[in-house]
Order: sequence, then structure tokens, then C-alpha cells
Amino acid sequence: GQQLNQSPQSMFIQEGEDVSMNCTSSSIFNTWLWYKQDPGEGPVLLIALYKAGELTSNGRLTAQFGITRKDSFLNISASIPSDVGIYFCAGVYTGANSKLTFGKGITLSVRP
Amino acid sequence: DAGVTQSPTHLIKTRGQQVTLRCSPISGHKSVSWYQQVLGQGPQFIFQYYEKEERGRGNFPDRFSARQFPNYSSELNVNALLLGDSALYLCASSLGGRRTDTQYFGPGTRLTVL
Repeated sequence: GQQLNQSPQSMFIQEGEDVSMNCTSSSIFNTWLWYKQDPGEGPVLLIALYKAGELTSNGRLTAQFGITRKDSFLNISASIPSDVGIYFCAGVYTGANSKLTFGKGITLSVRP
Repeated sequence: DAGVTQSPTHLIKTRGQQVTLRCSPISGHKSVSWYQQVLGQGPQFIFQYYEKEERGRGNFPDRFSARQFPNYSSELNVNALLLGDSALYLCASSLGGRRTDTQYFGPGTRLTVL
């Protein structure tokens, strides 16, 4: 089945630093999504990518859909304390029985 | 505008019992999906409903069932609860039934099975 790999499990950065997160898959996806989840909340969509090679920004966040369609990255620039949370990548392949598949998530901690 | 709402927020059950979780989608959204999120993992897809019809089912046993009502709200039922069913159950709504439609998540229902 489709699996998404996110590592490391946790990242610790200093406030103001940039951070990059990678997500890889054994299968191709037609859509890549990045979500952030705060404690006690559901995931919130940050960025959606629909075409291979696409580079999209949302404020301090930038994400890219890999050319091979098997990977994506998310970059956060000039981190702030409210960036703390769990970041999930998710992918969709629009074939039969397709579904939204999530990675295990990366917990980001930002030191003031 | 109200987002996706779920009830109850927390629930404690014992093994063998049955549970019903409820979800109201964003106004105008016709599709509801259910996910199970075990601690330390990403959400796992359980069901998707669109216009009251099941559109997709994940790899979960038949103890899990769901339905969607004419007002597009949805219920997830789990029978014969096991300890391993303890998780955060998330509901997500989207405008249509396409896989690529943006899904908006509710805050979830935290189910604890003792």
C-alpha cells in the first residue's frame, strides 16, 4: 500500500531559523498536501500542490511537489514560537480506491 | 462561519461496548470523511461519504460503520470496542466527492476504551 515517510520524528530549532521538512513515498501521488496539527485540534491545511514541480508559498511557508511525484518538501522561514506543532504531509492518488494518505508527522519545537 | 463540528469531544467506554460519534460538515459541503488517529501517528482513512453514498473505505474491520444523513451530517459507529480502538477520531468535510477536494478537519473526538 501507499506509505509516506517523514523523518526525523522531532526537530528542535531556534526562533528565527529556517527549517525544511521532507516527505517521501514509495508510490506516486497526484496531489501533495501539508497540514499542521496543534494539541487538541484537527489538522489544518497549510499548502496544497497539484502539479509535479509546482512551488507554492503561503506567507513564510514554501512547499514543492517533487518532479518524480514521489516526494515533497516544506520550508518554514524565520520561525516563530507559534510554529510549534506537528507537521504532516499527505498525498492523494486519484485512482480506484484512492484516499488521503498521511505521513507520521514531524513534531517541531521552537526555542525562544 | 462555523467549521466542522464533532461531538462528543471526549468519550470513555469499556471493551465490548458500542459507540456513536457525530459530525456536522461546513455549510455547503456535501462530503464527509472519517479518520482514526492513534497517538504518535498520522490520521488513517476510515470512510468517505458523498451525497449519502459511501465513496471509499479504508482498511478497517466491519465493526466500523458510518452513514450520512440528508443534511450531510454523519455518524461513525464502532461495535464491540477493543482497547486498540482508543484514538482521536477526526471528521473532515469537503465541497464535493473528488479525492483532490480540500478537506477541512474538525477538532476530533477523543475515544478511550478501558
